Amino acid sequence: SQTIHQWPATLVQPVGSPLSLECTVEGTSNPNLYWYRQAAGRGLQLLFYSVGIGQISSEVPQNLSASRPQDRQFILSSKKLLLSDSGFYLCAWSVGTSGAYNEQFFGPGTRLTVL
Amino acid sequence: RKEVEQDPGPFNVPEGATVAFNCTYSNSASQSFFWYRQDCRKEPKLLMSVYSSGNEDGRFTAQLNRASQYISLLIRDSKLSDSATYLCVVWVGGYQKVTFGTGTKLQVIP
Repeated sequence: SQTIHQWPATLVQPVGSPLSLECTVEGTSNPNLYWYRQAAGRGLQLLFYSVGIGQISSEVPQNLSASRPQDRQFILSSKKLLLSDSGFYLCAWSVGTSGAYNEQFFGPGTRLTVL
Repeated sequence: RKEVEQDPGPFNVPEGATVAFNCTYSNSASQSFFWYRQDCRKEPKLLMSVYSSGNEDGRFTAQLNRASQYISLLIRDSKLSDSATYLCVVWVGGYQKVTFGTGTKLQVIP
């Protein structure tokens, strides 16, 4: 069966500090991978998605970046965090085919507070 | 106009009640629709897909109205365990990009 891991679960960081969140998927190959952010009282905002190693699409211009160094590893980074980066960061995966929607399975998330 | 709009609630209903949520979408080219459930401080999970003809899964019924561009979720005989936020999700096609609504919070009261 497939599982998705995210770490850390909780993070408190000062403004201006760097960020690295990691997501790994087990039990599947060549998944589509996604990073979402959910700010308090707001919907899930798609930040990045990837259809393959080294292939990253950015949805929202911001001070965040994503990388996919391995098939089942997705990393979200920032060089300098802003207060507005606080939120609940969710990684998700889906089967990697187009033409129909495939259910996205979410990881447990990282709750980030920037002070 | 937002791509996907939901009443944030909260909807406070007694156990056993029937409750319905609506969700409107702006893109008439939207192809697929879903309801996700998100428990407090947890990740969202797929509850059910929404088909043109309407579909039912136990106490849950989902409907799609393309003419008026909304989908609905009906929950019958509400249970305490139904308390959660229900997210409306819309897919317009292409790669696996979907738009999530902000969610409707349901609180079932004993």
